[in-house]
Amino acid sequence: DAGITQSPRHKVTETGTPVTLRCHQTENHRYMYWYRQDPGHGLRLIHYSYGVKDTDKGEVSDGYSVSRSKTEDFLLTLESATSSQTSVYFCAISGGTSGGVGTDTQYFGPGTRLTVL
Amino acid sequence: KQEVTQIPAALSVPEGENLVLNCSFTDSAIYNLQWFRQDPGKGLTSLLLIQSSQREQTSGRLNASLDKSSGRSTLYIAASQPGDSATYLCAVDDYKLSFGAGTTVTVRA
Repeated sequence: DAGITQSPRHKVTETGTPVTLRCHQTENHRYMYWYRQDPGHGLRLIHYSYGVKDTDKGEVSDGYSVSRSKTEDFLLTLESATSSQTSVYFCAISGGTSGGVGTDTQYFGPGTRLTVL
Repeated sequence: KQEVTQIPAALSVPEGENLVLNCSFTDSAIYNLQWFRQDPGKGLTSLLLIQSSQREQTSGRLNASLDKSSGRSTLYIAASQPGDSATYLCAVDDYKLSFGAGTTVTVRA
């Protein structure tokens, strides 16, 4: 299994509070991704990173920000959590050796279940 | 916008039967197509990746085909086992991954 960990694994928070989720990899992969998974919507890309300090928006980026100061860590921040952000969040990595975003197999972390009350 | 559809949404078969899972996508300009498996409460596990230039990819009892021109992929699982019970997701890469909603498979012992 690819060395990807996510923390915390579960979190319950209140509306309006800031929340940061962490993804850590030990594979030295170039690309890192944050997805959310919701019933009826499947997996949707929030943000991705193609290198240290290089990030871009995905399909559902509103209300989220990301940072990547080291190759191994990719943080997802909800500046002011809302109930609509209750979801399961997955981090993924890929090597990108074929060039371009997502042109290699993506490996997923175990997920973080976030509940916003 | 890429739309990915998986039919059926759920499938129940007796052990030993071959499984056929379908995936269709709307934009054929893709880099690759990936099949994943997801167990309840777990993350996704990559099963197969088919590059856009390939027609099929095999791994053990799994075989995936890709017909880019018609926007279709099929995942075949031979001689199904109860341990194959999971949700199977396909994802199309056209610079980013777009996922289907998945097919939930139950293999009855």
